Amino acid sequence: EAEVAQSPRYKITEKSQAVAFWCDPISGHATLYWYRQILGQGPELLVQFQDESVVDDSQLPKDRFSAERLKGVDSTLKIQPAELGDSAMYLCASSDKAGANVLTFGAGSRLTVL
Amino acid sequence: AQSVAQPEDQVNVAEGNPLTVKCTYSVSGNPYLFWYVQYPNRGLQFLLKYITGDNLVKGSYGFEAEFNKSQTSFHLKKPSALVSDSALYFCAVREPGGYNKLIFGAGTRLAVHP
Repeated sequence: EAEVAQSPRYKITEKSQAVAFWCDPISGHATLYWYRQILGQGPELLVQFQDESVVDDSQLPKDRFSAERLKGVDSTLKIQPAELGDSAMYLCASSDKAGANVLTFGAGSRLTVL
Repeated sequence: AQSVAQPEDQVNVAEGNPLTVKCTYSVSGNPYLFWYVQYPNRGLQFLLKYITGDNLVKGSYGFEAEFNKSQTSFHLKKPSALVSDSALYFCAVREPGGYNKLIFGAGTRLAVHP
């Protein structure tokens, strides 16, 4: 069964450092999503790509977060500098198109900022 | 703006008994509704969805959900709970059309006791 790959699974960093997360969606999936899940809360959408274009980044803290999907396949989410409040699970998901389709999630990258 | 509420932080049920996990939503127009499950240190897994048609939707692992438009609810149910059903359950809603994003509830922890 096809999976969404994410790395690293766990990342511990000190505040003010830079961190990056990588996601490889299911082959052929045009829509890619980055969600942030703070402990005890539901996932919150940070950014949504359709192919290589950003279609929603309204909740992305753009002063410190950036995301790219240069060739419309894999994607990188970067945080610079990291803050204590960024500690969370970062989930990547993909779907073959936007709309009613089901999202397939990766296992996530857990970030701890000290 | 669309939103989803899961009024119970935790639901406790004995193995073999029926279970219900509650969800209510607010959206303009006809909603797309989803249930996802999350096991420890894992990403979210799709259980079922309602787009249109029969109000009773059947999904994976014996789960089903009932769409009630007048009560704006989409409760998750299972006739006989298993210990292995213990996990975190998320209800999600999306407005139809375009790239409207999937909004998740805060989650309900289901604990099934032997």
